[in-house]
Amino acid sequence: ETGVTQSPTHLIKTRGQQVTLRCSSQSGHNTVSWYQQALGQGPQFIFQYYREEENGRGNFPPRFSGLQFPNYSSELNVNALELDDSALYLCASSQKPAGVTGELFFGEGSRLTVL
Amino acid sequence: DQQVKQNSPSLSVQEGRISILNCDYTNSMFDYFLWYKKYPAEGPTFLISISSIKDKNEDGRFTVFLNKSAKHLSLHIVPSQPGDSAVYFCAASALYSGGGADGLTFGKGTHLIIQP
Repeated sequence: ETGVTQSPTHLIKTRGQQVTLRCSSQSGHNTVSWYQQALGQGPQFIFQYYREEENGRGNFPPRFSGLQFPNYSSELNVNALELDDSALYLCASSQKPAGVTGELFFGEGSRLTVL
Repeated sequence: DQQVKQNSPSLSVQEGRISILNCDYTNSMFDYFLWYKKYPAEGPTFLISISSIKDKNEDGRFTVFLNKSAKHLSLHIVPSQPGDSAVYFCAASALYSGGGADGLTFGKGTHLIIQP
């Protein structure tokens, strides 16, 4: 059984640039959610995708957007990068939307540094 | 405003003893709670959960206790082993109240260090 995989593992961008992070969900999982973990903080919910549609969103501005593909993989896009966007971005998958079960399976994360 | 609080950034426990990690929450809509464990350079791993209809859930060496009136939960690890050294996150959801799509709300974590 393949777990959640994320790419890239590390990347450096400058302010104002755009970034795309990718995630392959665990086999059999149809729901993907994204979390931002700043240094010294717990993960913070960005949004969740179920069957290719966003069905839940945290307190993040519209420049954070995402996609889920028919194979349930997902992308997180961040436009107009700011210094505060520097963080570990975690992708998590589950068999059902978080409205049914709260257990999530996380990937190792993508470490984004904005200079 | 933090809705899930883990007030101990770190905790040191001797191998073989009991480790007790604490978590407080403020949102009364939360009705499902989870503990995650995180090693460096890895994603968080689910450990144990509890719904608000229970006050205790046990899985091997791990037991979670929930005190709804105090809005407090704790994770007990008995006996503590060197491999338990990690950061532990408490998380909460309004799962059964229809807020499951709002994701999980995490605390800042407690770094547990098991000393030989």
